[in-house]
Amino acid sequence: DQQVKQNSPSLSVQEGRISILNCDYTNSMFDYFLWYKKYPAEGPTFLISISSIKDKNEDGRFTVFLNKSAKHLSLHIVPSQPGDSAVYFCAASAMTGGSYIPTFGRGTSLIVHP
Amino acid sequence: DTEVTQTPKHLVMGMTNKKSLKCEQHMGHRAMYWYKQKAKKPPELMFVYSYEKLSINESVPSRFSPECPNSSLLNLHLHALQPEDSALYLCASSQDPGFRPTDTQYFGPGTRLTVL
Repeated sequence: DQQVKQNSPSLSVQEGRISILNCDYTNSMFDYFLWYKKYPAEGPTFLISISSIKDKNEDGRFTVFLNKSAKHLSLHIVPSQPGDSAVYFCAASAMTGGSYIPTFGRGTSLIVHP
Repeated sequence: DTEVTQTPKHLVMGMTNKKSLKCEQHMGHRAMYWYKQKAKKPPELMFVYSYEKLSINESVPSRFSPECPNSSLLNLHLHALQPEDSALYLCASSQDPGFRPTDTQYFGPGTRLTVL
């Protein structure tokens, strides 16, 4: 039973346009959300995060939106660049057994066409 | 240095072999993690070491045996694996063992393991 769901396995976008990656979660105890980016043959790298007390966090071209009532978050990339082509993992965490350990979604493969 | 290194990059082993995966970080992080990732699935947590002590074991079969010789090194010893254990094994580290949600994990590139 997946607690963090990324229902779109892939997304194709034209360079310069907006990329929107979506993520849904089921565990209402999650209070911190993260996005990781993974290139082939590399490990996931942290991209951006948001606390449950906020509904938006922005870092350059990347913005994460959180809708707690809908248990939904999204990552917006504007403008999209070919170098953004990668797999994006959504992750959520809650304090469990004294630690915040993220639970990952399956990932969405983003392809940005020149 | 914000790098987590893992060796080997690829490993093929038989079901009767004994092998080890190695992970190293020199960021002074006090927590280290092993994850397993199958194709088109999310990374799944296996073990967490906090201050060189095993703090979380996610009910992993005993054919996987972790070891943390020091704060910079993490090993995963493999013995009598099954073909279904074939996966990408990711190591990660963080400054602290998840006491705060902002304890970002830094991942290595992974070891691609194939069990024949």
